[in-house]
Amino acid sequence: AQSVTQLGSHVSVSEGALVLLRCNYSSSVPPYLFWYVQYPNQGLQLLLKYTSAATLVKGINGFEAEFKKSETSFHLTKPSAHMSDAAEYFCAVTPARNNNDMRFGAGTRLTVKP
Amino acid sequence: NAGVMQNPRHLVRRRGQEARLRCSPMKGHSHVYWYRQLPEEGLKFMVYLQKENIIDESGMPKERFSAEFPKEGPSILRIQQVVRGDSAAYFCASSLQGVPEKLFFGSGTQLSVL
Repeated sequence: AQSVTQLGSHVSVSEGALVLLRCNYSSSVPPYLFWYVQYPNQGLQLLLKYTSAATLVKGINGFEAEFKKSETSFHLTKPSAHMSDAAEYFCAVTPARNNNDMRFGAGTRLTVKP
Repeated sequence: NAGVMQNPRHLVRRRGQEARLRCSPMKGHSHVYWYRQLPEEGLKFMVYLQKENIIDESGMPKERFSAEFPKEGPSILRIQQVVRGDSAAYFCASSLQGVPEKLFFGSGTQLSVL
């Protein structure tokens, strides 16, 4: 079975600082990994995805994530936080491209201080 | 994503009543997914439907829960005889091709059972 663990339910950074949101996965087969963002009172939006191509994946709004098989990690980073990045971020894994059993992490709430 | 419409936004029910949650997918999308998010937990897959068909309901509780996606009209998630443990945020997502990586989410329905 596949699963993801997000380390840290709340992360707080200052505006302009590095953002690092951690996600570790468990999968018996090569995984497809995703990061979603949820802004207040909105649905989830896809930030980026890893589907076995390049290990460094670039997404929207300056975010990127690196797939590290040796560490079973898919951490999300952004060099410089902006106030508008404040949101809830979810890591997700699915074992195959058309598998409906997408497993989500518990989420990490990012706060950006001025 | 504003394209997937869920209503109501908030729903309050007393124990034993029925809850009906509605989801209108994005225009042209014929694949609908329902997820449930319990407090401090990630989203958990419930059911995957195409027009008039249930494709995968492996995440759906065996009793009291049902879902449909008729030829005309929104998808409905129905919970009969609600209990306090049903209190959660219920998210609907739609896709054009039935591929999880191309999911578009609604803003969710927050169900509170008194």
